[in-house]
Amino acid sequence: SQTIHQWPATLVQPVGSPLSLECTVEGTSNPNLYWYRQAAGRGLQLLFYSVGIGQISSEVPQNLSASRPQDRQFILSSKKLLLSDSGFYLCAWSRLAGGLGKNIQYFGAGTRLSVL
Amino acid sequence: GQQLNQSPQSMFIQEGEDVSMNCTSSSIFNTWLWYKQDPGEGPVLLIALYKAGELTSNGRLTAQFGITRKDSFLNISASIPSDVGIYFCAGLKFRGGSEKLVFGKGTKLTVNP
Repeated sequence: SQTIHQWPATLVQPVGSPLSLECTVEGTSNPNLYWYRQAAGRGLQLLFYSVGIGQISSEVPQNLSASRPQDRQFILSSKKLLLSDSGFYLCAWSRLAGGLGKNIQYFGAGTRLSVL
Repeated sequence: GQQLNQSPQSMFIQEGEDVSMNCTSSSIFNTWLWYKQDPGEGPVLLIALYKAGELTSNGRLTAQFGITRKDSFLNISASIPSDVGIYFCAGLKFRGGSEKLVFGKGTKLTVNP
C-alpha cells in the first residue's frame, strides 16, 4: 500500500531563517506531488505541484520554492522566512488510475510552521 | 479562480442527529470528493463520486454527485462525537493538461455528546 510521510510535524523558526520541509511517498512510482498551505484550519491553497522529477509548477507567487530531486521526494523551501509564511503545510500525492476523473489526492499528516 | 461554495461554514449538533452539507459551483466537475480533517492532521478521503447522479455510501456517510455536475452533498446519519472535524468538498477538473483539484472552504462540525 502507498504511504506519504512529511517531516517535521512541527517547526518554529525565526523570521529571516531558511526553511526546508520534506515529503516522501512510498509504494508507488511516478506520483504527482503537491504542496498546500492551510491558514487558520480552513481552506487549502495549492502552492506547487509536480508531475515528474525536476518539473515544478507554481500556483501563486510567494516567498517559497519547491524542488523534486527524486521521483518520490518533494521539498518545500525558503531562503528567508516571513511572518506570513506561518501556517499548516500539507503534502499530497496522486496517480492517474483509470483515466480522467480518477486523479484523487492523498494527504500527509502536515507540518505546523510558526514563524516568530 | 474557480470557486466551490461549501455550506454551512459550521454546524453545532447533538449526538445522534443527522448532518447535511453541500457544495455548489458555477463550473462542471469530472469528479467530486469529500474529505474529513481531524485537528492537526491532513485531510482523509471519505467518498469519491465519478458520475453525475451517482449516490455512494460509506457507513453512516452518503454523498451524491449532482445531476448537473455542478454540485454535491454529504449526509452523515446518527452523528457520534468522533465525527467532529472539518469536512471539505473538492472537485476535479481537467485544466492545462492535468487535473486540478479545487477545494471548498470546509464545514466545521461540532458534535455535543
